[in-house]
Amino acid sequence: QVQLQESGPGLVKPSETLSLTCTVSGGSISVDNYYWGWIRQPPGKGLEWIGCIYYSGNTYYNPSLKSRVTISVDTSKNHFSLRLISATAADTAVYYCARRAGGGGGFQAWGQGILVTVSS
Amino acid sequence: QSALTQPPSASGSPGQSVTIPCTGTSRDVGAYDHVSWYQQYPGKVPKLIIYGVNKRPSGVPDRFSGSKSGNTASLTVSGLQAEDEADYYCSAYGGGNVYWVFGGGTKLTVL
Repeated sequence: QVQLQESGPGLVKPSETLSLTCTVSGGSISVDNYYWGWIRQPPGKGLEWIGCIYYSGNTYYNPSLKSRVTISVDTSKNHFSLRLISATAADTAVYYCARRAGGGGGFQAWGQGILVTVSS
Repeated sequence: QSALTQPPSASGSPGQSVTIPCTGTSRDVGAYDHVSWYQQYPGKVPKLIIYGVNKRPSGVPDRFSGSKSGNTASLTVSGLQAEDEADYYCSAYGGGNVYWVFGGGTKLTVL
């Protein structure tokens, strides 16, 4: 059964870059018909989709974050990454990585989440 | 402001049925059968309970069911149990510019 684990700094200074990695175990990231994504949840608030990537490198971003977000994949390390530039306090959230099945499939496998606080 | 609209709260007594609506537009909920629902307990990871409007992943009780009419999708929880008390989020595909959107979430209380 595939497992996902987020890693990265828990504290980022305002205007700096938030960088996270999601390591996939129990299965290959290079499988057809699965997309690998990032979702965040500010404290006490709802879920927000950030973006997804296919193992081929095709990316899909939330239009509201597209100008600041880059998602990349490293199939040799079986992980994918998130970069969010120019971080502000509004980016403080629990960040989840997740796997979504193609077509109508939902986000069926999630990491445990990592709290990232943007503060000086 | 979330792209999909859910009521902030819903409630029901044990054994009753509760339906949570998720209202979108003709560009997302109304356009594709790519609606999913997630259950989240406080401090825990969201769990997929419905995908493709009305399909249940393995292990999800059949007390949970999904449906869609026009631009509104719905999650129905039948035979409410205390363990169903949680936050529920809907999500839908919004096409090639928006991709995936979530609702604001509904807190379900079992009275």
